[in-house]
Amino acid sequence: NAGVTQTPKFQVLKTGQSMTLQCAQDMNHEYMSWYRQDPGMGLRLIHYSVGAGITDQGEVPNGYNVSRSTTEDFPLRLLSAAPSQTSVYFCASSWGHPNTGELFFGEGSRLTVL
Amino acid sequence: GESVGLHLPTLSVQEGDNSIINCAYSNSASDYFIWYKQESGKGPQFIIDIRSNMDKRQGQRVTVLLNKTVKHLSLQIAATQPGDSAVYFCAENGGNAGGTSYGKLTFGQGTILTVHP
Repeated sequence: NAGVTQTPKFQVLKTGQSMTLQCAQDMNHEYMSWYRQDPGMGLRLIHYSVGAGITDQGEVPNGYNVSRSTTEDFPLRLLSAAPSQTSVYFCASSWGHPNTGELFFGEGSRLTVL
Repeated sequence: GESVGLHLPTLSVQEGDNSIINCAYSNSASDYFIWYKQESGKGPQFIIDIRSNMDKRQGQRVTVLLNKTVKHLSLQIAATQPGDSAVYFCAENGGNAGGTSYGKLTFGQGTILTVHP
């Protein structure tokens, strides 16, 4: 049982390039989300999805795009990378039951934008 | 907007001591609180949670205390071990209006716990 799998683990981009961070979970979780983690700022929610075909914005959505075509996958797209998007990105999933926040996190994807 | 914060960014303890990590929250609508542990190079892992209708909850070597009067949350780790060294985050769900909180957590900045052998 792999849990939440993120790829790539490391990526270096030049300003203006685009890329997609992949996230897959094999736990049949309804809810999936993307967080970014910056030093001294904890984890901030970028986008989330409560099920296939449904996505919504989190706290810091600008510059990112998501889609949820299947229950298992939730890719995060950087449309035109900027140095401010240098961060560690975490994908997380949960059962999606109301009033519960237990999230299962991936190992993270470290992105550097030059 | 409202956010979750921590009193102490770092905590150093000796192996075998008890550790207490504190967290202040300001969103009075939050009704569910969680502690996560993040080891270096890894994603956060769930430790323990507590609902707002409780004051205390115990797990294996960990206890979470919730004081709603002063909006304070703490994590107590008994007999701290070197393997407990990590960053600890508290998180709150900001309430559950309409049952749509679905893990929309607000995380604190984190406390670095270092356990010395």
